[in-house]
Amino acid sequence: DTEVTQTPKHLVMGMTNKKSLKCEQHMGHRAMYWYKQKAKKPPELMFVYSYEKLSINESVPSRFSPECPNSSLLNLHLHALQPEDSALYLCASSQVMASAQHFGDGTRLSIL
Amino acid sequence: GNSVTQMEGPVTLSEEAFLTINCTYTATGYPSLFWYVQYPGEGLQLLLKATKADDKGSNKGFEATYRKETTSFHLEKGSVQVSDSAVYFCALRNRNQGAQKLVFGQGTRLTINP
Repeated sequence: DTEVTQTPKHLVMGMTNKKSLKCEQHMGHRAMYWYKQKAKKPPELMFVYSYEKLSINESVPSRFSPECPNSSLLNLHLHALQPEDSALYLCASSQVMASAQHFGDGTRLSIL
Repeated sequence: GNSVTQMEGPVTLSEEAFLTINCTYTATGYPSLFWYVQYPGEGLQLLLKATKADDKGSNKGFEATYRKETTSFHLEKGSVQVSDSAVYFCALRNRNQGAQKLVFGQGTRLTINP
């Protein structure tokens, strides 16, 4: 059982839809992350939140909008995505500095 | 910059064989090193870690030793099982540079045949 919970597990959406991915952790971690993983590739960092503030944006297109409402929750709002955005989206959390990140099982996103 | 190089896969072994997956890194300062495992259809699970030179991480029969002199963190297991079939990622986190970023290797797909 993972301690980082992501919902939904699967999502199919059209290019004009708006949807959100959700991530929750109750380990008291104050850093949370979004990653994108394409097939047979390592995860690519998208965003990092530290103490509920955005600390890293890896030049992600604006059609991806992160939100951290509190220390346990992380959302990724999606709008006007492209077919190449189809991927596994992973959430992770950790203590803020220099420790292991704990990953959820991901949301598998398909863009029609 | 920081980088991680893993041996290319896929790797196919028979059950009870000895496993080594090579991992070398490039980094300034004192990185922490990790092995993650990804089973089919799942996220990444932390397998083991080491935070300083000569540390040995171990878990579920897997071991890796942080070798600063050879900048390596090779993963080993003495007797693999079919259930070890997965993709294995070596990663580093550099406390001196971009401490919140994990730098991953390309991953090594391991298949264990009964």
